[in-house]
Amino acid sequence: EAGVTQSPTHLIKTRGQQATLRCSPISGHTSVYWYQQALGLGLQFLLWYDEGEERNRGNFPPRFSGRQFPNYSSELNVNALELEDSALYLCASSAGDWDYGYTFGSGTRLTVV
Amino acid sequence: QQQVKQSPQSLIVQKGGISIINCAYENTAFDYFPWYQQFPGKGPALLIAIRPDVSEKKEGRFTISFNKSAKQFSLHIMDSQPGDSATYFCAASSSGNTPLVFGKGTRLSVIA
Repeated sequence: EAGVTQSPTHLIKTRGQQATLRCSPISGHTSVYWYQQALGLGLQFLLWYDEGEERNRGNFPPRFSGRQFPNYSSELNVNALELEDSALYLCASSAGDWDYGYTFGSGTRLTVV
Repeated sequence: QQQVKQSPQSLIVQKGGISIINCAYENTAFDYFPWYQQFPGKGPALLIAIRPDVSEKKEGRFTISFNKSAKQFSLHIMDSQPGDSATYFCAASSSGNTPLVFGKGTRLSVIA
């Protein structure tokens, strides 16, 4: 069974540009979560999508947005990139069974220069 | 506001020793407490999880101890091995209703 896949693996953007990150969940998982992992800050919750709807949003500015498609894959968009947006962006999926928790992808390393 | 506080930030343990990582939470609505393990270049992977109806859960060399009154939980790694060297994250949530809130992580190094 394929795990959570994220693309691209690495992304380099210039300050002010837009970045689009993609995530494909495990087959059968309807929930997708996005987290930002910056050095020393742990995992900061960004967005939660379930059944195509945004269920919850973390304490991030509106330039962080996303969506979930009918096949449950998801996209994270970051507009007007700032240097401090440089981080590892992790996507996780869940079937909603809490005994199995989240399954994370390996992340997209975004570097803003 | 950090809802889950994790300590220590880093930990060095001799091979065969016991590694102990602690977490404290504030939100009494939390009822699900997992631990994740992350190796360099990989996403975090679920290691073990506990609910507040039990005070301890053991899976192999990994044990979670839970103290509901103190709002604290900890991960114990018995007979620590160099292969256990990784970053460990505690997390908490109100199951099914809120996303996981993570601690800032503990970098564990097990030396021979």
